[in-house]
Amino acid sequence: NAGVTQTPKFQVLKTGQSMTLQCAQDMNHEYMSWYRQDPGMGLRLIHYSVGAGITDQGEVPNGYNVSRSTTEDFPLRLLSAAPSQTSVYFCASAQGLSYEQYFGPGTRLTVT
Amino acid sequence: AQSVTQLDSQVPVFEEAPVELRCNYSSSVSVYLFWYVQYPNQGLQLLLKYLSGSTLVKGINGFEAEFNKSQTSFHLRKPSVHISDTAEYFCAVQSTSYGKLTFGQGTILTVHP
Repeated sequence: NAGVTQTPKFQVLKTGQSMTLQCAQDMNHEYMSWYRQDPGMGLRLIHYSVGAGITDQGEVPNGYNVSRSTTEDFPLRLLSAAPSQTSVYFCASAQGLSYEQYFGPGTRLTVT
Repeated sequence: AQSVTQLDSQVPVFEEAPVELRCNYSSSVSVYLFWYVQYPNQGLQLLLKYLSGSTLVKGINGFEAEFNKSQTSFHLRKPSVHISDTAEYFCAVQSTSYGKLTFGQGTILTVHP
């Protein structure tokens, strides 16, 4: 089991560029989510999904899009990057609501 | 709506001393409670969770936490810390009826020799 994988590990973007952060899990988990981590602010939920074809907004969804076409993959799209999106992004998956969330290693994104 | 407040942003402690990391939460519905740990340059991993039943929950690496419903608290404790416990610790709350997990701001535990 690879668990939760994220690519890339590091990325530098210029303002206005777009990109997709990839997330995949091989545990057949229904629940997947994206967080951003900023110093002193903990982790904030961006978007989450409770199954293929079902997504919902979290606490800070603006500027990000998601889709869930398969159980395994949950990509996060930045349509037009802004410096405020400089952060570390974590993807997580879980078997269900009360279950442990398994986190990926993170993607460190810098927008200049 | 739900929120989590970790009362200490940094906690320095000497090796083999006891430690308590404080967490208060607010929610209008029933919740599950979690503590996660993040070692430098890594993702988060679960220390322990409270779903229901006994209010004293034991986790990995000798940590335990006590759920206090009247005080809406879920403090994390360890009777004797090691250098390897140096990390950032996050308290989190999740509604029992929908999927949003809300994290506190984090507490950096630094264990000195």
